[in-house]
Amino acid sequence: GAVVSQHPSWVICKSGTSVKIECRSLDFQATTMFWYRQFPKQSLMLMATSNEGSKATYEQGVEKDKFLINHASLTLSTLTVTSAHPEDSSFYICSAINPGGGSPLHFGNGTRLTVT
Amino acid sequence: QKEVEQDPGPLSVPEGAIVSLNCTYSNSAFQYFMWYRQYSRKGPELLMYTYSSGNKEDGRFTAQVDKSSKYISLFIRDSQPSDSATYLCAMSALAGGTSYGKLTFGQGTILTVHP
Repeated sequence: GAVVSQHPSWVICKSGTSVKIECRSLDFQATTMFWYRQFPKQSLMLMATSNEGSKATYEQGVEKDKFLINHASLTLSTLTVTSAHPEDSSFYICSAINPGGGSPLHFGNGTRLTVT
Repeated sequence: QKEVEQDPGPLSVPEGAIVSLNCTYSNSAFQYFMWYRQYSRKGPELLMYTYSSGNKEDGRFTAQVDKSSKYISLFIRDSQPSDSATYLCAMSALAGGTSYGKLTFGQGTILTVHP
């Protein structure tokens, strides 16, 4: 079945550095991908919608200059957390719509980011 | 008030029990209703997906939607220890294809099924 792959699965970085997270659709083309964030014992919150070939759309309260999203191809979207701070430590999960039908939305396995 | 309310539990049941999980919502624009299962440190896995009010059954899982009451439920029959996970309800409004991806999630209910 359709699979969304996310890399890395976990990353530790120092405050002030930047971290890039990749989200790939493995067997379908995804013109639209979504980035969610999940804090411990809390639900998933949509951060932004990633559109292939155009700018991402950010949800209210999400800093676009801090969370850079690039969707350069139909199978890859990247999220870069710039100048990371400890409060950015979270579980970041991407998802993609399979236009071929079936399950409407597929999620990656997430990236656990820890900023020290 | 949150748009989607879900009791976080935790909920602990014996193997074989029927589990009932529920969510209420306030936004009448929500038209698509989903239940996801999430194991620790993993992404959500879609269990059930419904559009209209009523029941939908898939194996041991039954999803119910009552739009008039803004209330959805997931029932798990003959629960197994492998069902132990966090269960998340999610909803989206009818606004075109990409609306499937703009989901509003409940907080999730932690379920433990003990042998």
